[in-house]
Amino acid sequence: DIQMTQSPSSLSASVGDRVTITCRASQSISRYLNWYQHKPGKAPKLLIYTASTLQNGVPSRFSGSGSGTDFTLTISGLQPEDFATYYCQQSYVAPPEFGPGTKVDIK
Amino acid sequence: QVQLVESGGGVVQPGRSLRLSCVASGFTFSSHAMHWVRQAPGKGLEWVAVIWYDGSKKYYADSVKGRLTISRDNSENTLFLQVNSLRAEDTAVYYCARDLESGFYRLDYWGQGTLVTVSS
Repeated sequence: DIQMTQSPSSLSASVGDRVTITCRASQSISRYLNWYQHKPGKAPKLLIYTASTLQNGVPSRFSGSGSGTDFTLTISGLQPEDFATYYCQQSYVAPPEFGPGTKVDIK
Repeated sequence: QVQLVESGGGVVQPGRSLRLSCVASGFTFSSHAMHWVRQAPGKGLEWVAVIWYDGSKKYYADSVKGRLTISRDNSENTLFLQVNSLRAEDTAVYYCARDLESGFYRLDYWGQGTLVTVSS
């Protein structure tokens, strides 16, 4: 199975900051990487698929990049509604494992 | 609009069984693969299982293989998860999620989840 790791596991940031989260796969997954946002008590939300394509309705301050084994999610200009936990997930092959998550909270 | 509503959670004793349901609306249920994903208290998202749009293929996480069974009724727009021999580590919020297309593993809509608590 392909294992996913994320760093950092948590970070504190202020509104307006640029935030970068890293995701790494244990083997090459080409660009088959999705990013999700999850807030407590809410349904997870798909933000980005195939590494860099924004899901409909997702603000353009979110962006993704990478291929192979290394990927990044960037939030340019953090907004109050962006404080949440972010998960990467490989969509290359079953099982479609999630990373352990990165919690973004208010500094 | 797309809606997924889970039900069937609750407090269950260890060793018992439970069947979770997820009713879908707002899209052609029979055209989409469906997933179950769970989140234990204080933990991250854990993918559990997927079933193809027609039920022809099913895949499970190694951690649940043999105890959990995913199924669907396309005539009723409903997804199921049968959980047998419940253990404390099965305590979690269980989410159903729609896959954009079978094999894409792109979970584009999720339900709000149903909480399963395994406790004596």
